[in-house]
Amino acid sequence: DAKTTQPPSMDCAEGRAANLPCNHSTISGNEYVYWYRQIHSQGPQYIIHGLKNNETNEMASLIITEDRKSSTLILPHATLRDTAVYYCIDISKTSYDKVIFGPGTSLSVIP
Amino acid sequence: GAGVSQSPRYKVAKRGQDVALRCDPISGHVSLFWYQQALGQGPEFLTYFQNEAQLDKSGLPSDRFFAERPEGSVSTLKIQRTQQEDSAVYLCASSLAVGPYEQYFGPGTRLTVT
Repeated sequence: DAKTTQPPSMDCAEGRAANLPCNHSTISGNEYVYWYRQIHSQGPQYIIHGLKNNETNEMASLIITEDRKSSTLILPHATLRDTAVYYCIDISKTSYDKVIFGPGTSLSVIP
Repeated sequence: GAGVSQSPRYKVAKRGQDVALRCDPISGHVSLFWYQQALGQGPEFLTYFQNEAQLDKSGLPSDRFFAERPEGSVSTLKIQRTQQEDSAVYLCASSLAVGPYEQYFGPGTRLTVT
Protein backbone atom coordinates (compact mmCIF):
# COMPACT_ATOMS: atom_id res chain seq x y z
CA ASP A 1 0.00 0.00 0.00
CA ALA A 2 1.11 3.53 -0.70
CA LYS A 3 2.54 5.44 2.24
CA THR A 4 1.19 8.74 0.98
CA THR A 5 -2.34 10.08 0.78
CA GLN A 6 -3.64 12.56 -1.76
CA PRO A 7 -7.08 13.90 -2.66
CA PRO A 8 -8.52 11.85 -5.51
CA SER A 9 -9.31 14.82 -7.71
CA MET A 10 -8.94 18.59 -8.02
CA ASP A 11 -9.89 21.32 -10.47
CA CYS A 12 -7.89 24.39 -11.32
CA ALA A 13 -8.66 27.33 -13.58
CA GLU A 14 -6.28 27.82 -16.48
CA GLY A 15 -3.62 30.41 -15.66
CA ARG A 16 -4.04 30.03 -11.92
CA ALA A 17 -1.70 28.24 -9.54
CA ALA A 18 -2.47 24.60 -8.89
CA ASN A 19 -1.62 23.50 -5.35
CA LEU A 20 -1.60 19.74 -4.92
CA PRO A 21 -1.31 18.47 -1.33
CA CYS A 22 0.24 15.23 -0.15
CA ASN A 23 0.27 13.68 3.28
CA HIS A 24 3.23 11.48 4.18
CA SER A 25 2.97 11.35 7.95
CA THR A 26 5.06 8.18 8.29
CA ILE A 27 7.99 9.40 6.19
CA SER A 28 11.38 8.50 7.61
CA GLY A 29 14.52 10.57 7.67
CA ASN A 30 16.11 8.80 4.71
CA GLU A 31 13.13 9.09 2.39
CA TYR A 32 12.75 11.61 -0.38
CA VAL A 33 9.43 13.03 -1.55
CA TYR A 34 9.06 12.56 -5.30
CA TRP A 35 6.36 13.84 -7.60
CA TYR A 36 5.48 12.33 -10.96
CA ARG A 37 2.58 13.00 -13.27
CA GLN A 38 0.88 10.87 -15.89
CA ILE A 39 -0.89 12.40 -18.82
CA HIS A 40 -3.56 10.19 -20.35
CA SER A 41 -2.13 7.26 -22.37
CA GLN A 42 1.46 8.16 -21.56
CA GLY A 43 4.01 6.86 -19.08
CA PRO A 44 4.61 8.79 -15.85
CA GLN A 45 6.90 11.81 -16.05
CA TYR A 46 9.22 12.99 -13.29
CA ILE A 47 8.44 16.48 -11.96
CA ILE A 48 10.50 17.23 -8.88
CA HIS A 49 11.80 15.78 -5.62
CA GLY A 50 13.04 16.97 -2.25
CA LEU A 51 14.30 15.80 1.11
CA LYS A 52 13.91 18.65 3.59
CA ASN A 53 14.22 21.92 1.77
CA ASN A 54 11.79 23.49 -0.64
CA GLU A 55 12.72 22.95 -4.26
CA THR A 56 11.95 24.70 -7.53
CA ASN A 57 12.61 23.79 -11.13
CA GLU A 58 11.26 24.81 -14.51
CA MET A 59 8.14 22.71 -14.04
CA ALA A 60 7.05 23.25 -10.46
CA SER A 61 7.82 24.11 -6.86
CA LEU A 62 7.80 21.69 -3.95
CA ILE A 63 7.05 22.93 -0.46
CA ILE A 64 7.82 20.48 2.36
CA THR A 65 6.62 21.24 5.87
CA GLU A 66 9.21 21.52 8.58
CA ASP A 67 8.12 18.26 10.20
CA ARG A 68 8.19 16.62 6.73
CA LYS A 69 4.78 15.07 7.26
CA SER A 70 3.23 16.79 4.28
CA SER A 71 4.13 18.60 1.10
CA THR A 72 2.54 20.67 -1.63
CA LEU A 73 3.34 20.63 -5.32
CA ILE A 74 2.74 24.00 -6.93
CA LEU A 75 2.24 24.51 -10.65
CA PRO A 76 2.46 28.31 -10.78
CA HIS A 77 0.43 28.94 -13.94
CA ALA A 78 -1.57 25.87 -14.86
CA THR A 79 -2.26 25.20 -18.54
CA LEU A 80 -4.59 22.70 -20.16
CA ARG A 81 -1.57 20.49 -20.83
CA ASP A 82 -1.11 20.11 -17.07
CA THR A 83 -4.29 18.02 -16.87
CA ALA A 84 -2.97 14.70 -15.58
CA VAL A 85 -2.80 12.34 -12.60
CA TYR A 86 -0.20 13.55 -10.11
CA TYR A 87 1.56 11.03 -7.87
CA CYS A 88 3.35 11.84 -4.62
CA ILE A 89 5.74 9.08 -3.57
CA ASP A 90 8.19 8.46 -0.74
CA ILE A 91 11.40 6.88 -2.01
CA SER A 92 14.02 5.58 0.38
CA LYS A 93 17.73 6.24 -0.13
CA THR A 94 18.33 2.56 0.52
CA SER A 95 15.19 0.76 -0.69
CA TYR A 96 14.85 2.81 -3.85
CA ASP A 97 13.99 0.01 -6.19
CA LYS A 98 10.47 -0.71 -5.05
CA VAL A 99 8.60 2.47 -5.84
CA ILE A 100 5.02 2.38 -4.59
CA PHE A 101 2.58 4.56 -6.47
CA GLY A 102 -0.78 5.34 -4.91
CA PRO A 103 -3.89 6.32 -6.90
CA GLY A 104 -2.68 9.94 -7.13
CA THR A 105 -4.66 13.14 -7.67
CA SER A 106 -6.46 13.65 -10.95
CA LEU A 107 -5.99 17.34 -11.78
CA SER A 108 -8.33 18.90 -14.31
CA VAL A 109 -7.32 22.32 -15.63
CA ILE A 110 -10.42 24.12 -16.78
CA PRO A 111 -10.41 26.79 -19.49
CA GLY B 1 17.87 12.24 -27.32
CA ALA B 2 15.88 9.04 -27.51
CA GLY B 3 13.77 8.19 -24.54
CA VAL B 4 12.62 4.80 -23.30
CA SER B 5 10.84 2.86 -25.99
CA GLN B 6 8.56 -0.13 -25.64
CA SER B 7 7.16 -2.55 -28.19
CA PRO B 8 4.62 -3.49 -29.15
CA ARG B 9 2.47 -0.57 -28.03
CA TYR B 10 -0.63 -2.75 -28.14
CA LYS B 11 -0.95 -6.49 -27.86
CA VAL B 12 -4.05 -8.65 -27.99
CA ALA B 13 -3.56 -12.22 -26.84
CA LYS B 14 -5.93 -15.09 -26.52
CA ARG B 15 -6.14 -16.64 -23.10
CA GLY B 16 -3.40 -19.22 -22.74
CA GLN B 17 -0.99 -17.63 -25.21
CA ASP B 18 2.52 -16.55 -24.29
CA VAL B 19 3.54 -12.92 -24.85
CA ALA B 20 6.85 -11.06 -24.83
CA LEU B 21 7.06 -7.33 -24.20
CA ARG B 22 10.22 -5.43 -25.05
CA CYS B 23 11.80 -2.41 -23.37
CA ASP B 24 14.66 -0.35 -24.78
CA PRO B 25 15.96 1.86 -21.97
CA ILE B 26 17.92 5.06 -22.41
CA SER B 27 21.46 4.19 -23.46
CA GLY B 28 23.80 3.93 -20.49
CA HIS B 29 21.07 3.70 -17.88
CA VAL B 30 22.03 1.20 -15.24
CA SER B 31 18.68 0.66 -13.54
CA LEU B 32 15.58 -0.74 -15.22
CA PHE B 33 12.12 -1.23 -13.75
CA TRP B 34 8.93 -2.93 -14.89
CA TYR B 35 5.49 -1.90 -13.64
CA GLN B 36 1.94 -3.11 -14.23
CA GLN B 37 -0.85 -0.55 -14.36
CA ALA B 38 -4.49 -1.57 -14.20
CA LEU B 39 -7.13 0.81 -15.49
CA GLY B 40 -7.68 3.74 -13.14
CA GLN B 41 -4.87 2.78 -10.77
CA GLY B 42 -1.29 3.82 -10.21
CA PRO B 43 1.58 1.72 -11.55
CA GLU B 44 2.52 -1.31 -9.46
CA PHE B 45 6.12 -2.44 -9.18
CA LEU B 46 6.97 -5.77 -10.78
CA THR B 47 10.74 -6.12 -10.93
CA TYR B 48 14.07 -4.26 -10.90
CA PHE B 49 17.36 -4.78 -12.73
CA GLN B 50 20.74 -3.29 -12.03
CA ASN B 51 22.61 -3.86 -15.28
CA GLU B 52 21.93 -7.52 -16.10
CA ALA B 53 21.24 -8.56 -12.51
CA GLN B 54 17.63 -8.92 -11.46
CA LEU B 55 17.85 -7.70 -7.88
CA ASP B 56 14.19 -7.59 -6.98
CA LYS B 57 11.37 -9.61 -8.48
CA SER B 58 9.06 -9.49 -5.52
CA GLY B 59 6.31 -7.73 -7.44
CA LEU B 60 5.87 -10.39 -10.12
CA PRO B 61 2.33 -11.69 -9.52
CA SER B 62 2.98 -15.34 -10.39
CA ASP B 63 5.55 -17.70 -11.81
CA ARG B 64 3.98 -17.13 -15.22
CA PHE B 65 5.79 -13.79 -15.28
CA PHE B 66 9.47 -13.75 -16.19
CA ALA B 67 11.80 -10.85 -16.97
CA GLU B 68 15.32 -10.73 -18.29
CA ARG B 69 17.98 -8.22 -19.26
CA PRO B 70 20.81 -10.44 -20.46
CA GLU B 71 23.26 -7.79 -21.66
CA GLY B 72 22.30 -5.03 -19.30
CA SER B 73 20.43 -2.98 -21.86
CA VAL B 74 17.26 -4.25 -23.58
CA SER B 75 14.81 -6.04 -21.32
CA THR B 76 11.99 -8.45 -22.06
CA LEU B 77 9.00 -9.20 -19.87
CA LYS B 78 7.46 -12.54 -20.73
CA ILE B 79 4.06 -13.73 -19.60
CA GLN B 80 3.25 -17.38 -20.10
CA ARG B 81 -0.25 -18.81 -20.44
CA THR B 82 -1.88 -15.39 -20.27
CA GLN B 83 -5.03 -14.94 -18.20
CA GLN B 84 -7.69 -12.24 -18.41
CA GLU B 85 -6.44 -10.69 -15.17
CA ASP B 86 -3.11 -10.00 -16.91
CA SER B 87 -4.82 -7.34 -19.04
CA ALA B 88 -3.12 -4.07 -18.14
CA VAL B 89 -0.59 -1.54 -19.32
CA TYR B 90 2.98 -2.69 -18.75
CA LEU B 91 5.39 0.18 -18.17
CA CYS B 92 9.16 0.12 -18.32
CA ALA B 93 11.36 2.78 -16.75
CA SER B 94 15.10 3.35 -16.57
CA SER B 95 17.32 5.54 -14.45
CA LEU B 96 20.88 6.63 -14.88
CA ALA B 97 22.44 5.19 -11.77
CA VAL B 98 21.85 3.08 -8.71
CA GLY B 99 19.84 4.86 -6.08
CA PRO B 100 16.74 7.00 -5.65
CA TYR B 101 17.11 8.82 -8.95
CA GLU B 102 14.42 9.99 -11.30
CA GLN B 103 12.98 7.31 -13.50
CA TYR B 104 12.28 7.83 -17.19
CA PHE B 105 9.22 5.93 -18.32
CA GLY B 106 8.33 4.49 -21.68
CA PRO B 107 4.84 4.84 -23.19
CA GLY B 108 3.83 1.36 -22.06
CA THR B 109 2.43 -1.72 -23.76
CA ARG B 110 -1.31 -2.21 -23.45
CA LEU B 111 -2.00 -5.93 -23.17
CA THR B 112 -5.54 -7.20 -23.66
CA VAL B 113 -6.20 -10.87 -23.02
CA THR B 114 -9.41 -12.15 -24.61
